[in-house]
Amino acid sequence: QVQLVQSGPELKKPGASVKVSCNSSGYIFTYNGINWVRQAPGQGLEWMGWISPYNGNTKYAQNFQGRLTMTTDTSTSTAYMELRSLTSDDTAVYYCARARYNWKDYRDAVDIWGQGTMVTVSP
Amino acid sequence: EIVLTQSPGTLSLSPGERATLSCRASQSVSSTYLGWYQQKPGQAPRLLIYGASSRATGIPDRFSGSGSGTDFTLTISSLEPEDFAVYYCQHYGSSPFTFGPGTKVDIK
Repeated sequence: QVQLVQSGPELKKPGASVKVSCNSSGYIFTYNGINWVRQAPGQGLEWMGWISPYNGNTKYAQNFQGRLTMTTDTSTSTAYMELRSLTSDDTAVYYCARARYNWKDYRDAVDIWGQGTMVTVSP
Repeated sequence: EIVLTQSPGTLSLSPGERATLSCRASQSVSSTYLGWYQQKPGQAPRLLIYGASSRATGIPDRFSGSGSGTDFTLTISSLEPEDFAVYYCQHYGSSPFTFGPGTKVDIK
């Protein structure tokens, strides 16, 4: 079946970087975009950005410009999200999620979600 | 940035009752780009509705979406025990995509 499996929890110090992976299976990886969404403890959902595994095009939310990088490795059907210059405000569960319909247009709902990766930023 | 407001914040209902959840946008949103998600504690969200009114794969027909412009509604016609959860609306028509703050549907 279609699934996204994310890497394990991370504990980072302020100012460090984190890189979360998202391995896909059960579908053709390059056919659908991948979004990243985060959720701080007890809070709502925040969209971070989108990447097309087909051509590497990205769209980042302005809030993260300059410290967020999304990449993909088509040979392993894996997407990556790297966030730099971490602060305590970045403590959250980070989800990857598959765009429902296509790889070309970032404007798409997300239909398959990873299990989430808890990133804790603490001195 | 489009701000989404959801009401009520909490909806206390009994199984079998009808739930009506509202999502209001700060500016007009194309219906093509409005979705609803369900999230249970400790789980990832699940897509229920996309394009304002189309049910996602495997979603029961007791869930329905409607609306246009700035006002959208998610209706659960008859609550099942597994429907008690938090529901989020999302617009995805332009960057940044935004989510509403959520409506919690709990058991009365």
